[in-house]
Amino acid sequence: GDSVTQMEGPVTLSEEAFLTINCTYTATGYPSLFWYVQYPGEGLQLLLKATKADDKGSNKGFEATYRKETTSFHLEKGSVQVSDSAVYFCALEGGGSYIPTFGRGTSLIVHP
Amino acid sequence: GAGVSQSPSNKVTEKGKDVELRCDPISGHTALYWYRQSLGQGLEFLIYFQGNSAPDKSGLPSDRFSAERTGGSVSTLTIQRTQQEDSAVYLCASSGRDTLHFGNGTRLTVT
Repeated sequence: GDSVTQMEGPVTLSEEAFLTINCTYTATGYPSLFWYVQYPGEGLQLLLKATKADDKGSNKGFEATYRKETTSFHLEKGSVQVSDSAVYFCALEGGGSYIPTFGRGTSLIVHP
Repeated sequence: GAGVSQSPSNKVTEKGKDVELRCDPISGHTALYWYRQSLGQGLEFLIYFQGNSAPDKSGLPSDRFSAERTGGSVSTLTIQRTQQEDSAVYLCASSGRDTLHFGNGTRLTVT
């Protein structure tokens, strides 16, 4: 079945550092890929998405590129802020199943 | 506009009791999902409703879990004879097209 693997956290960075959170997936067909973010005490919200190979999703300074050849969708940001501290979830939909599949989440902690 | 609303936000119950968790999706969204979020385990799919079709119950962990969706809108997740391993955050999401909109969840603690 479909699956998503994320790097384990927590990821701890200083403000203005470069961020990468790795995400790889296994799916049949051609899924859409997503990053969701969960701020403390809140529900998940969509951060960005990409629907086909080589597409780049971007939002709030975050970017991720759909790489079919490496089955990856790594999240990057050039300069993180304290307000980016949250849990980030990689997800896919529309591969072998219509049920969205999520990774375990990666906690990001940004220090001033 | 109004988002997905879940109630209660927190629920503490004794082992063996039944609990009901409520989800009020975004108006007009035909798809509704329940997930369970346990510490370090990510999101575990529980059940999926799409319009008037029969729900996909393939993620329910045991027959103590059930859910219904009345009138294609509000959904209730019921856990009977709760166990300590049921302690988790229960998340509801609705979708109109391809993006999920999540509620803030219900944190269930079974003592």
